[in-house]
Amino acid sequence: DTGVSQNPRHKITKRGQNVTFRCDPISEHNRLYWYRQTLGQGPEFLTYFQNEAQLEKSRLLSDRFSAERPKGSFSTLEIQRTEQGDSAMYLCASSMTGNTIYFGEGSWLTVV
Amino acid sequence: DQQVKQNSPSLSVQEGRISILNCDYTNSMFDYFLWYKKYPAEGPTFLISISSIKDKNEDGRFTVFLNKSAKHLSLHIVPSQPGDSAVYFCAASFFGNEKLTFGTGTRLTIIP
Repeated sequence: DTGVSQNPRHKITKRGQNVTFRCDPISEHNRLYWYRQTLGQGPEFLTYFQNEAQLEKSRLLSDRFSAERPKGSFSTLEIQRTEQGDSAMYLCASSMTGNTIYFGEGSWLTVV
Repeated sequence: DQQVKQNSPSLSVQEGRISILNCDYTNSMFDYFLWYKKYPAEGPTFLISISSIKDKNEDGRFTVFLNKSAKHLSLHIVPSQPGDSAVYFCAASFFGNEKLTFGTGTRLTIIP
């Protein structure tokens, strides 16, 4: 069990640039989640997939954000035209339906 | 609309004593509750959970109590150890929609 893997772990980008984060879930987990955490707050739900289907998106996920899970395995989260308010830790998590959700170590984004 | 609340931002406890972390929720549809532990720059680590059909769940030094009428849960850690120093998040979900709603966290410091 290699756990949920995320990369890159840290990304510094200039405002207006696009960034992409990748998540590899625990193998055989059919659900994959993306959360965002800012300082002093708990993780906030962004979106989740069951296999390759994106089942729910939070209103926090603006049009500049897009997530994919093309083959029901790894997932990518892309942020276009980044803004300073996008600076946060982006957390990926996975689970089997009905079971505990396990988180990766997160990807820090700093927009300068 | 903070549906899960952790009203104590921080807590300091002497090593060996009991640590009690509290969490309140407002959404009566929540039926599954979890506690996660988080170290700086890492993702949350699952600690313990409880279903709404129970009022207590125990795992080693960790016990979670649920009071459904008060919409309150607590995490007891006994005895507290220096490695328990971290931020603890309470999270809740409901059947059929397993995304987690998190509280804002409580920073626990164990004093040697």
